[in-house]
Amino acid sequence: GDSVTQMEGPVTLSEEAFLTINCTYTATGYPSLFWYVQYPGEGLQLLLKATKADDKGSNKGFEATYRKETTSFHLEKGSVQVSDSAVYFCALGGYTGFQKLVFGTGTRLLVSP
Amino acid sequence: SAVISQKPSRDICQRGTSLTIQCQVDSQVTMMFWYRQQPGQSLTLIATANQGSEATYESGFVIDKFPISRPNLTFSTLTVSNMSPEDSSIYLCSVVSEAIYGYTFGSGTRLTVV
Repeated sequence: GDSVTQMEGPVTLSEEAFLTINCTYTATGYPSLFWYVQYPGEGLQLLLKATKADDKGSNKGFEATYRKETTSFHLEKGSVQVSDSAVYFCALGGYTGFQKLVFGTGTRLLVSP
Repeated sequence: SAVISQKPSRDICQRGTSLTIQCQVDSQVTMMFWYRQQPGQSLTLIATANQGSEATYESGFVIDKFPISRPNLTFSTLTVSNMSPEDSSIYLCSVVSEAIYGYTFGSGTRLTVV
């Protein structure tokens, strides 16, 4: 079945550092890919998405490119802020837009001043 | 995107009791999903709730333990029955519809069973 693998956390960075959180997936078809963020004590918010190969999703300085050849969707940000400290979840789903999401285990990001 | 109101936001319950969680959406949506997030873990789908039909449960989840109602296109409830400490988790509802691309999540219900 479909699955998502994320890098283990926590990822600890200083403010303004470059961020990469790795995400790879296994899927039977060509799903949509998502990054969600969960701030402390809150629910999940959609950060960005990509619906087909070579699409780049971007939002709030974060980017991720849908790479079919490497089955990856790595999250990047050029300069992190303390306010980016959160748990980031990679997910796949939505073959037809109406199916469940399959989540990775989440990666906690801690950014210090 | 859709706005979801999920209630209660948190609760502390005695073992053996039941809690009903409500999910209200500000627009009509085709499908609603209920997820569980155990402490420090990722999200696991409990069931998919379609209006007018029985919910579809994932492996490991049963209707007797997690009954779900979906009386219309904007509302659903999840009940956690006969609770034990192992049910302590965050429960989240999520929606997707033709008018909204992407999946929107409620803010979650943080349940502690003592």
